[in-house]
Amino acid sequence: GNSVTQMEGPVTLSEEAFLTINCTYTATGYPSLFWYVQYPGEGLQLLLKATKADDKGSNKGFEATYRKETTSFHLEKGSVQVSDSAVYFCALRWANQAGTALIFGKGTTLSVSS
Amino acid sequence: EAQVTQNPRYLITVTGKKLTVTCSQNMNHEYMSWYRQDPGLGLRQIYYSMNVEVTDKGDVPEGYKVSRKEKRNFPLILESPSPNQTSLYFCASSLSRGETQYFGPGTRLLVL
Repeated sequence: GNSVTQMEGPVTLSEEAFLTINCTYTATGYPSLFWYVQYPGEGLQLLLKATKADDKGSNKGFEATYRKETTSFHLEKGSVQVSDSAVYFCALRWANQAGTALIFGKGTTLSVSS
Repeated sequence: EAQVTQNPRYLITVTGKKLTVTCSQNMNHEYMSWYRQDPGLGLRQIYYSMNVEVTDKGDVPEGYKVSRKEKRNFPLILESPSPNQTSLYFCASSLSRGETQYFGPGTRLLVL
């Protein structure tokens, strides 16, 4: 079946460090891929997305490239800030004749210290 | 401001006492959904609604009910809550099922 696997957290970094959060997926067809972010005490917000292979989604300094050959959508940021501390969810949107579904990974907690 | 609101934000209740968590969106979205978030399990869909009077089960519907009498509202009903329903609940809406979902702030529920 369709699924999303994220790296286990928590990820603890110092300010200005490089961030990578790995995400791989299993899906039939051609899913769209998303990263959502959940700041403490808040709901999920869409961070970025990519709808087809080789697309790069980017927002707020974060980037992720849809790699069909490796079925991956790793999230990266060159220099993290304390304000980036949050839980990050990788998700795929999968569609077939029956409809569409949004499938989330388990989330990765990022903690950035100054 | 376009938003999804949930009430209450925090709730402590006892086993068996019926409760309702409200969800409302002001974006004229057709699709609405409820999720629960539990440590190590991520987000799991409880129920969803494609439009008014159209609802269907998600991955973990047991112990929950929903209704969609109006387009903007999608309440989640726990007829007889149990401790295993202690969780963080999120409502979400989107223009249609395949579109980007917008999430509410969450409702933290504790069932004693």
